[in-house]
Amino acid sequence: GESVGLHLPTLSVQEGDNSIINCAYSNSASDYFIWYKQESGKGPQFIIDIRSNMDKRQGQRVTVLLNKTVKHLSLQIAATQPGDSAVYFCAEKTKGNKLVFGAGTILRVKS
Amino acid sequence: DAGITQSPRYKITETGRQVTLMCHQTWSHSYMFWYRQDLGHGLRLIYYSAAADITDKGEVPDGYVVSRSKTENFPLTLESATRSQTSVYFCASTNGKGTGELFFGEGSRLTVL
Repeated sequence: GESVGLHLPTLSVQEGDNSIINCAYSNSASDYFIWYKQESGKGPQFIIDIRSNMDKRQGQRVTVLLNKTVKHLSLQIAATQPGDSAVYFCAEKTKGNKLVFGAGTILRVKS
Repeated sequence: DAGITQSPRYKITETGRQVTLMCHQTWSHSYMFWYRQDLGHGLRLIYYSAAADITDKGEVPDGYVVSRSKTENFPLTLESATRSQTSVYFCASTNGKGTGELFFGEGSRLTVL
């Protein structure tokens, strides 16, 4: 299991700025890494994924970077908007289509 | 509407009582999952199912029971609820192809007094 504290890390950004959310993963055998967004009172929603044989993938306003050497994943959000305020989770896909989630990062967007 | 639905959305119960959380999906997804979410722990897998009549334990299965007699339903039962099971429970499903993206329900908030 992972060691986590009682409080999630928080990233505060100004509206219009770019956001970078980081995540460390543990399983080198994972074939997919996925980012989810969770708004208050709702279930997690898929944002973007990246296959383990890639190092970068772009979506609409989002980019995911994968560094397998240091087992690090990041999510970049361009021109952050108030609607991007949420908790962001990285997840790694393991055997049996199970996802193992990180603890999450709170993104707060200041207007 | 198509999708994945959980019920009840909110439940308050007492220690020792049996509670069942329901999950229903209309996509005919093979895989279904139950996660619990507690502050500071992200989402932790309780049980999962690869198909009807096939279930397996996840990371935190103790105190929970699941069944999957039909593809579309995956109920989670707390046989004798404890305070430590106070949490938000999320059901999810996927067809298991490609990325294995999970589609989540809206969650069931359970409070055990």
